[in-house]
Amino acid sequence: GNSVTQMEGPVTLSEEAFLTINCTYTATGYPSLFWYVQYPGEGLQLLLKATKADDKGSNKGFEATYRKETTSFHLEKGSVQVSDSAVYFCALSDRTDSWGKLQFGAGTQVVVTP
Amino acid sequence: GAGVSQSPSNKVTEKGKDVELRCDPISGHTALYWYRQSLGQGLEFLIYFQGNSAPDKSGLPSDRFSAERTGGSVSTLTIQRTQQEDSAVYLCASSFTGHTEAFFGQGTRLTVV
Repeated sequence: GNSVTQMEGPVTLSEEAFLTINCTYTATGYPSLFWYVQYPGEGLQLLLKATKADDKGSNKGFEATYRKETTSFHLEKGSVQVSDSAVYFCALSDRTDSWGKLQFGAGTQVVVTP
Repeated sequence: GAGVSQSPSNKVTEKGKDVELRCDPISGHTALYWYRQSLGQGLEFLIYFQGNSAPDKSGLPSDRFSAERTGGSVSTLTIQRTQQEDSAVYLCASSFTGHTEAFFGQGTRLTVV
């Protein structure tokens, strides 16, 4: 079956530091890949997505590239802010499924200190 | 409202009682999803509705769990004879169609005591 593995947290870093959260997946076929973010006290929000190999998703300074050869979708941001403190979830949707039927990773908590 | 609305936001119930959780999707969204978020299991898919029918119920953990959707809008997730392991945050999401972004509600935190 499909699965998503992401690095465990919490990840603690200082403002303006570089952030990487690793995500790898196992899937049959070619899934669509997503990063969702959950800010404290809020619901899950779609951060970015990529639907085919070599696609790069980007939003709010975050980027992730769909790498079929390494089955990865690592999230990066060049300079984090305190407001980026949240839990980040990597997820996939099977090609034949709707984008709302998602297999999530365990989530990575990110804490950014001033 | 503009977003997915879930009620109640918190529910404490005694073991063995039945509970109903409600989801109001974004107006016009035909697809609706229920998820469960718990410490031990992370985020788990429960059920998917397209309109009023549920083509995928594969994530419902037992026959104590059921869901319905009426009028292509509001959905109710019912848990019968609640157990302590049912304690979790239940999330609802909706999307305009199958291959568009899913928007999540803030969830219902269920505590079974």
